[in-house]
Amino acid sequence: DAGVIQSPRHEVTEMGQEVTLRCKPISGHDYLFWYRQTMMRGLELLIYFNNNVPIDDSGMPEDRFSAKMPNASFSTLKIQPSEPRDSAVYFCASRRGQGGGPQHFGDGTRLSIL
Amino acid sequence: AQTVTQSQPEMSVQEAETVTLSCTYDTSENNYYLFWYKQPPSRQMILVIRQEAYKQQNATENRFSVNFQKAAKSFSLKISDSQLGDTAMYFCAFTIIQGAQKLVFGQGTRLTINP
Repeated sequence: DAGVIQSPRHEVTEMGQEVTLRCKPISGHDYLFWYRQTMMRGLELLIYFNNNVPIDDSGMPEDRFSAKMPNASFSTLKIQPSEPRDSAVYFCASRRGQGGGPQHFGDGTRLSIL
Repeated sequence: AQTVTQSQPEMSVQEAETVTLSCTYDTSENNYYLFWYKQPPSRQMILVIRQEAYKQQNATENRFSVNFQKAAKSFSLKISDSQLGDTAMYFCAFTIIQGAQKLVFGQGTRLTINP
């Protein structure tokens, strides 16, 4: 089976531009997570969905960030307008079921805001 | 608050040696899972090993094993017969079974295996 698929792998854009990151979870997984990785803050959860419904978005830094999951096989994380401090690696992960099942990560999107 | 602490920012050993990475965590929950993830330079996050908190037996996966001490809230990773391909960042993480479903990560240990 294919793993979690993220696109693009790299994104370089100028401050103020809209950025959209995409994720396709593993088929059959009902949980989807968005994480951000920076040197200063490490890996931190931004938001997660269960059955396409956002459950906890307390990690979303501010209103410039939004995430959607229109169906079980697709999610987006959007930043508008982008700022240099948004530069990071953004990971999407998915999992089947509640509890201790492992989260499977995509390869991440390295985002650079100039 | 739920936290994970990895006290060794960097470690370096020779190939074929055994190395142990430390991890402590803090939670008031009784039911949770613990994980070690590996992140090589390719940036992938790869699950290395998983431990259920209700199991006393330490998990093992080939050359990887853990020493889980629930009372001490300690969860160390031992890599035996280390290989060059083990060079990576290693992250300790946990998730509680009920309630918030997120993984809480430590800051990571950068492990270098030297030839």
